[in-house]
Amino acid sequence: DAGITQSPRHKVTETGTPVTLRCHQTENHRYMYWYRQDPGHGLRLIHYSYGVKDTDKGEVSDGYSVSRSKTEDFLLTLESATSSQTSVYFCAISESVGMGDNEQFFGPGTRLTVL
Amino acid sequence: GEDVEQSLFLSVREGDSSVINCTYTDSSSTYLYWYKQEPGAGLQLLTYIFSNMDMKQDQRLTVLLNKKDKHLSLRIADTQTGDSAIYFCAEIPNRDDKIIFGKGTRLHILP
Repeated sequence: DAGITQSPRHKVTETGTPVTLRCHQTENHRYMYWYRQDPGHGLRLIHYSYGVKDTDKGEVSDGYSVSRSKTEDFLLTLESATSSQTSVYFCAISESVGMGDNEQFFGPGTRLTVL
Repeated sequence: GEDVEQSLFLSVREGDSSVINCTYTDSSSTYLYWYKQEPGAGLQLLTYIFSNMDMKQDQRLTVLLNKKDKHLSLRIADTQTGDSAIYFCAEIPNRDDKIIFGKGTRLHILP
């Protein structure tokens, strides 16, 4: 299994509080991604990174920010959590894109509940 | 726009074949993928197909690609209880940096 971990694995927080989720990889892969998974919506991309300090928005980036100060860590921050951000968050990594067997490896997920 | 469509549910009897269908919109996608998600886990790559291929077979898995209709299917032969999962179709449009996933098809195995 690819070396990718997420922390915390579960979190319950209150509306309006800041939350930071961490994704850590030991594979030295260039690309890192944050997705959220919700019933009826499948997997939606929040933000992604194509290198240290290089990030871009995905389709559901509002209310989220990210940072990547080193290759192995990609942080997702909810500045002021809302109930609509209750979800399961997945981090993924890949060496590159557009190549057939260059898959995205997924972390185990973080279940976030915003009360 | 970029969109990948697949049905949300499929029920199949154990031992039968499962066929999961997907349609995509970007005809320039070079690679198309099938990912599997087991309960409580992240997604894992099952198989992929290059756009100049019509079919790819890997043990019990057969992927069929119809580029004209932008239709991709995954056939699982002799479906087992361990195949119970959510299956995601995905594409990379025009060598973009992002993979576009479908909403996933939940495969339920009947005894």
